Amino acid sequence: GQQVMQIPQYQHVQEGEDFTTYCNSSTTLSNIQWYKQRPGGHPVFLIQLVKSGEVKKQKRLTFQFGEAKKNSSLHITATQTTDVGTYFCAGVFTGNQFYFGTGTSLTVIP
Amino acid sequence: GAGVSQSPSNKVTEKGKDVELRCDPISGHTALYWYRQSLGQGLEFLIYFQGNSAPDKSGLPSDRFSAERTGGSVSTLTIQRTQQEDSAVYLCASSLALVWSPLHFGNGTRLTVT
Repeated sequence: GQQVMQIPQYQHVQEGEDFTTYCNSSTTLSNIQWYKQRPGGHPVFLIQLVKSGEVKKQKRLTFQFGEAKKNSSLHITATQTTDVGTYFCAGVFTGNQFYFGTGTSLTVIP
Repeated sequence: GAGVSQSPSNKVTEKGKDVELRCDPISGHTALYWYRQSLGQGLEFLIYFQGNSAPDKSGLPSDRFSAERTGGSVSTLTIQRTQQEDSAVYLCASSLALVWSPLHFGNGTRLTVT
């Protein structure tokens, strides 16, 4: 079946350090979305990437979609305690079926 | 406007009992999804409804699980003869189902089977 793999599963960083999470698929994705889930909350949409090689930025967050549209990354520069949560990628292969990665849980140590 | 509404927010049930979980999507959203999230785990796809099309049930873990969507709006997820391994947060999401629309999640129902 179609799967989206995400690494690492957990990441602890000191406040101010950078953080990156990676998603990989064995088959080409039509698009990929990123979500953030705060502790005790529900996933909230962050961004969508559609084009090969696309790069989008939201303040300290940088999202990339690979040239082959099989991988994606989320990079946070100079983490803050407000960045704490679990970050999920969700890949779409065809139609509107979303395949979520396993998530990366980010802990920021003040 | 109102977001995705799920009820109940918490449900404790005894093993072997049936439970019904409800999801009221955002008005106008034609796509509706159910996911299951166990403690500290990712989102496990259960079922997907799109308009009047036959639902994609490929994620339902067993025949104890079923879901329906009435009138293209409210959805009910039913778990029969609950087992302890069914304990999880059940999340509902809806979207416009336009190409690549984002998912809007509800707050989930935390199910505990004792």
